Amino acid sequence: AQSVTQPDIHITVSEGASLELRCNYSYGATPYLFWYVQSPGQGLQLLLKYFSGDTLVQGIKGFEAEFKRSQSSFNLRKPSVHWSDAAEYFCAVGGTHTGRRALTFGSGTRLQVQP
Amino acid sequence: SQTIHQWPATLVQPVGSPLSLECTVEGTSNPNLYWYRQAAGRGLQLLFYSVGIGQISSEVPQNLSASRPQDRQFILSSKKLLLSDSGFYLCAWSVRTAANTGELFFGEGSRLTVL
Repeated sequence: AQSVTQPDIHITVSEGASLELRCNYSYGATPYLFWYVQSPGQGLQLLLKYFSGDTLVQGIKGFEAEFKRSQSSFNLRKPSVHWSDAAEYFCAVGGTHTGRRALTFGSGTRLQVQP
Repeated sequence: SQTIHQWPATLVQPVGSPLSLECTVEGTSNPNLYWYRQAAGRGLQLLFYSVGIGQISSEVPQNLSASRPQDRQFILSSKKLLLSDSGFYLCAWSVRTAANTGELFFGEGSRLTVL
């Protein structure tokens, strides 16, 4: 069965500082990997996704993520955080499960941005 | 373009009362449909998914049920709410093709408080 671990429940960074959110997955084949962002009281918005090819993927809002198969990781990065980036971030892995394709989500990392 | 709508956005219900949350998708046909629940401070738990009209799969035993009376309509129900049913409910859809990667598109969510 597939699983996702986001080891950091809560992270605080200063505005303008760099950011890295960790994500480790478990899946028996080549995974489809996603990062979503959720503002308070809102649905989830897709930031970026990896299916195949270049292991460094670019997303919206200046985010990027790197797929490292050897480490089973898909960490999210941003060089300079803005106050509007404060939100909860979810990593997800997709694959075939009981004949359907469904995403398995990590427990999320809440990001606070200090002025 | 495709859109997904959920309502109501906020609901406060007494214990033992019934529940109906509705979700509709526009701009696509034959989607896979999902209901997720997000409890306070926790990740997303898949409750139900559907690959077609009248076809519902439940991921966890619980007090809730789902129905899909039309291709792009997904309803989450309960006959008698429990306190533990409180949470943020998210409807989502994905394309239903052989190339489906599992990428999900989320609605804005429905916050349910059971008192």
